[in-house]
Amino acid sequence: GAVVSQHPSRVICKSGTSVKIECRSLDFQATTMFWYRQFPKQSLMLMATSNEGSKATYEQGVEKDKFLINHASLTLSTLTVTSAHPEDSSFYICSASDRGQGRDGQFFGPGTRLTVL
Amino acid sequence: LAKTTQPISMDSYEGQEVNITCSHNNIATNDYITWYQQFPSQGPRFIIQGYKTKVTNEVASLFIPADRKSSTLSLPRVSLSDTAVYYCLVGDFGGATNKLIFGTGTLLAVQP
Repeated sequence: GAVVSQHPSRVICKSGTSVKIECRSLDFQATTMFWYRQFPKQSLMLMATSNEGSKATYEQGVEKDKFLINHASLTLSTLTVTSAHPEDSSFYICSASDRGQGRDGQFFGPGTRLTVL
Repeated sequence: LAKTTQPISMDSYEGQEVNITCSHNNIATNDYITWYQQFPSQGPRFIIQGYKTKVTNEVASLFIPADRKSSTLSLPRVSLSDTAVYYCLVGDFGGATNKLIFGTGTLLAVQP
């Protein structure tokens, strides 16, 4: 099946710094990618929809200036957490749609564990 | 997007069949039903998808009644490694937006 990778797998940073997380579709082109956040023992929460070549669509309550999304190519979307604070510590997961796979074609990355000190 | 309701948790023993039911009363005509599995600190993994009646693959079966207001994921002969959270999602996965909204999921705990 289609493979989605994320980098880094985990990152620890100081409060106030910015962190960039990459999401790549390795063997297919993804016009749409999605970013989720998951806190411990909770479900995945959709943050935004990333569209190649256009602005991301953010879910209600998600600050677009804090979580910058860039989908510059059909295989890469990046999420930048700007001026990170301890409350931004979470598990960030991306997914990508492979329309060529038909209706079951949404595949998830392995996730990135962000810890802000 | 149709809302889904699942049991928060279930317990089972190795070798048993496990059935997890999901309610989705507001499912739309174009919606498909998809189940994902998630282990701790990993991304969700696709298990099975269906539209109506029954679908079976190498790891699970999915039963969908005629009214499609619910679905049941069936895991045959579970093992300890099947301990995970299982999510039921409903949506038009091939549609324009294609976004997924996750519910609470069901934490399945398999004991020896």
